[in-house]
Amino acid sequence: GAVVSQHPSWVICKSGTSVKIECRSLDFQATTMFWYRQFPKQSLMLMATSNEGSKATYEQGVEKDKFLINHASLTLSTLTVTSAHPEDSSFYICSARSVTGDGRGHFGDGTRLSIL
Amino acid sequence: GQQLNQSPQSMFIQEGEDVSMNCTSSSIFNTWLWYKQDPGEGPVLLIALYKAGELTSNGRLTAQFGITRKDSFLNISASIPSDVGIYFCAGYSSGGGADGLTFGKGTHLIIQP
Repeated sequence: GAVVSQHPSWVICKSGTSVKIECRSLDFQATTMFWYRQFPKQSLMLMATSNEGSKATYEQGVEKDKFLINHASLTLSTLTVTSAHPEDSSFYICSARSVTGDGRGHFGDGTRLSIL
Repeated sequence: GQQLNQSPQSMFIQEGEDVSMNCTSSSIFNTWLWYKQDPGEGPVLLIALYKAGELTSNGRLTAQFGITRKDSFLNISASIPSDVGIYFCAGYSSGGGADGLTFGKGTHLIIQP
């Protein structure tokens, strides 16, 4: 149980392109989803917290107009990297917390974004 | 913000050796979690700790939630090749909003044949 699916797993695109990443909880409902970014050989850094039906809460230093988050249902959150540039290249990972809210994060397998 | 200090940063060991890594925090957590991440994949939960002083095992893995709630350790006994990867501690505090996990910087475990 507690499977989180993230799609796509790898994206390569040109600078200036907008990229949408989906995070789905397949067998549970997630009132809260989290988006993390991980640079090579570094830890996961929280970007934003996404609550179903409301605006996302962004961490300090994360541009909300650059990283658009939508959490339209209890099983789907999307992260759109708008007008992506090479410095946005990273590994993006989502995590979903079930409605029972025991604090554990169920992670997707991540999306590797490479901007040329 | 909250910070987690995880050590060691990397470990080079022989197969069969025991491994120990730990995390300390500048603030209190309600929950300590230990994850393993393989290259190109998301973190996989190994052990979750919910009470101060709690000692929990999962096969060859043992983790403890420190009494002060500001630290935790993970031990791996009799390491095998598939234990290679990056291990992350993570802390979580409930209340005050739905905050994400705070992660340590990771411990790279490398097993030499």
